[in-house]
Amino acid sequence: QVQLVQSGPEVKKPGASVKVSCRSSGYAFTNFGLSWVRQAPGQGLQWMGWISTHNGNTKYVQNLKGRITLTTDTSTTTAYMELRSLTSDDTAVYYCARDRRTAAAAGGRGFDFWGQGTPVTVSS
Amino acid sequence: SYELTQPPSVSVSPGQTATFTCTGDYLGDKFASWYQQKPGQSPILVIYQDTQRPSGIPERFSGSNSGNTATLTIRGTQATDEADYYCQAWDSRTEEVFGGGTKLTVL
Repeated sequence: QVQLVQSGPEVKKPGASVKVSCRSSGYAFTNFGLSWVRQAPGQGLQWMGWISTHNGNTKYVQNLKGRITLTTDTSTTTAYMELRSLTSDDTAVYYCARDRRTAAAAGGRGFDFWGQGTPVTVSS
Repeated sequence: SYELTQPPSVSVSPGQTATFTCTGDYLGDKFASWYQQKPGQSPILVIYQDTQRPSGIPERFSGSNSGNTATLTIRGTQATDEADYYCQAWDSRTEEVFGGGTKLTVL
């Protein structure tokens, strides 16, 4: 069965970086993209970015550009999300999700399987 | 930037039909998806590409999209359907966008 398993909770100080991993199994890794979504406490869902597991092409939400990097390791079917220069506004649960989108200009296909979420707390 | 608007709450009695709306400019020209999220859990895709149900989603969940409004309908609403529901669409300039979510209360 399809599974996305994320790394554990993180606590970071302001200005630090965090790198969250998402290991996929149960499907052909390079046949689907991966998106990252976060949810601040008591708030809604915010899409952060997408990566093609086929060629590494990426798309990012405008207000995170310059601070976020998405990568994948096809040998281990693992995706990574790195977020730099953290502030308290980055405190959230971070999710990876399998994205039915496989091309950069063909979004809106839906996120059909999700990881369990990784809580990230930014506090001094 | 592209925005999707959802009402904050919907209330229905068990067995009734729950209707969720999601509005955005020319939304009918884009694909809409819907997600269910229960407290402390990851979201679940319930509708994608306007009308398609993923495997395992009951037939009482259905979707439509036309004009500026996408709609998710749950027929025969059950207490277990109580959750937050988010719509989502893709815009070529803004990329993927979520609505603010609608909380379903089953009275």
